[in-house]
Amino acid sequence: EAGVAQSPRYKIIEKRQSVAFWCNPISGHATLYWYQQILGQGPKLLIQFQNNGVVDDSQLPKDRFSAERLKGVDSTLKIQPAKLEDSAVYLCASSPGWHTRNTEAFFGQGTRLTVV
Amino acid sequence: EDQVTQSPEALRLQEGESSSLNCSYTVSGLRGLFWYRQDPGKGPEFLFTLYSAGEEKEKERLKATLTKKESFLHITAPKPEDSATYLCAVQAGVSSNTGKLIFGQGTTLQVKP
Repeated sequence: EAGVAQSPRYKIIEKRQSVAFWCNPISGHATLYWYQQILGQGPKLLIQFQNNGVVDDSQLPKDRFSAERLKGVDSTLKIQPAKLEDSAVYLCASSPGWHTRNTEAFFGQGTRLTVV
Repeated sequence: EDQVTQSPEALRLQEGESSSLNCSYTVSGLRGLFWYRQDPGKGPEFLFTLYSAGEEKEKERLKATLTKKESFLHITAPKPEDSATYLCAVQAGVSSNTGKLIFGQGTTLQVKP
């Protein structure tokens, strides 16, 4: 079974530039998460989709971050404009669906963003 | 407020020296508690899910246990390849209708040969 795919793996941009990350979840998984992991910390949820609808974006900085999930499958996360404090690893994860018994999430390799 | 605290932040063991990692949590109705392993430069790798107090799960040298307030990850006779950061996460069931995973800050384990 193929895992969660993310691209790119690494990205270096200057502050105030824009950047986009892509995620392809495990086939059939209804729930998709985007997490931000700052060095030395645990992942922090940015946004959660159930199929193609947003169920939690309470910690997403909406003035600069946006995300969409097209047709309930792939997802993109965008930052515009980027700030130095956005330097982190952006992790995408998917799970069968929070309402099912097996709700564990499976993660991709992440995208390491460096803002200079 | 739902919260997860892991201790210690870092742990150094000699190969073969058993120990335990702690995950304390406060959550409005626990739906599930998850343990993940994260190697440098990689995404978290799923290890265990625990659903109710008293439940235990084992995988090779790892054993996870759950009480109403905390979970332990016991590592028996660790090897250098067990070196990684271990993350604990909880999923609320009562107050949340989203299934959001809330992570602790992790425990970084180093096992020396």
